[in-house]
Amino acid sequence: AQRVTQPEKLLSVFKGAPVELKCNYSYSGSPELFWYVQYSRQRLQLLLRHISRESIKGFTADLNKGETSFHLKKPFAQEEDSAMYYCALRGGETSGSRLTFGEGTQLTVNP
Amino acid sequence: NAGVTQTPKFQVLKTGQSMTLQCAQDMNHEYMSWYRQDPGMGLRLIHYSVGAGITDQGEVPNGYNVSRSTTEDFPLRLLSAAPSQTSVYFCASRRAGSYGYTFGSGTRLTVV
Repeated sequence: AQRVTQPEKLLSVFKGAPVELKCNYSYSGSPELFWYVQYSRQRLQLLLRHISRESIKGFTADLNKGETSFHLKKPFAQEEDSAMYYCALRGGETSGSRLTFGEGTQLTVNP
Repeated sequence: NAGVTQTPKFQVLKTGQSMTLQCAQDMNHEYMSWYRQDPGMGLRLIHYSVGAGITDQGEVPNGYNVSRSTTEDFPLRLLSAAPSQTSVYFCASRRAGSYGYTFGSGTRLTVV
């Protein structure tokens, strides 16, 4: 079974402060991990994935297989980062490539 | 190229009524999925399809039916609506071999 846990439902920081959104997963094989973001009144969109090791909008996420974590980080939060963030795991093709989401973390960046 | 289109955007049903949520994509994506989004529970997979004529159950399939007669369309049917099905429903699609899902804008359903 594949499972994703985001322990913080709400996270509030001030503009310019560092932010870390936590994500832990369980999966028996080699998963693909993603972060999706949903801005107010908009549809979900892919923010980044672990394979590409890229930085999008200043966000990065490193897959830690030992701790089974994929935390999302940004050194200096901006007000426009306020949104709902979902961590997601995709299993292999044999599972139909099902995408399993965590519970989501609502990030608020205060001025 | 419209992406993933969901209709209707809003719907109110009475308990026991049935209805179909429509989802269409024009990207020739093989994979399509239906999720429901509830506060504190994230997005939960209802049903998914890996191609025309092939569907399978997700985490929370009870009370919902799907079919995939064409690549483009993946309708979700509520057989007998219940208040517990009040939620926001998202349809998503992905091309086989790619990594990112494209999501629709959602349908907000209220069952009274």
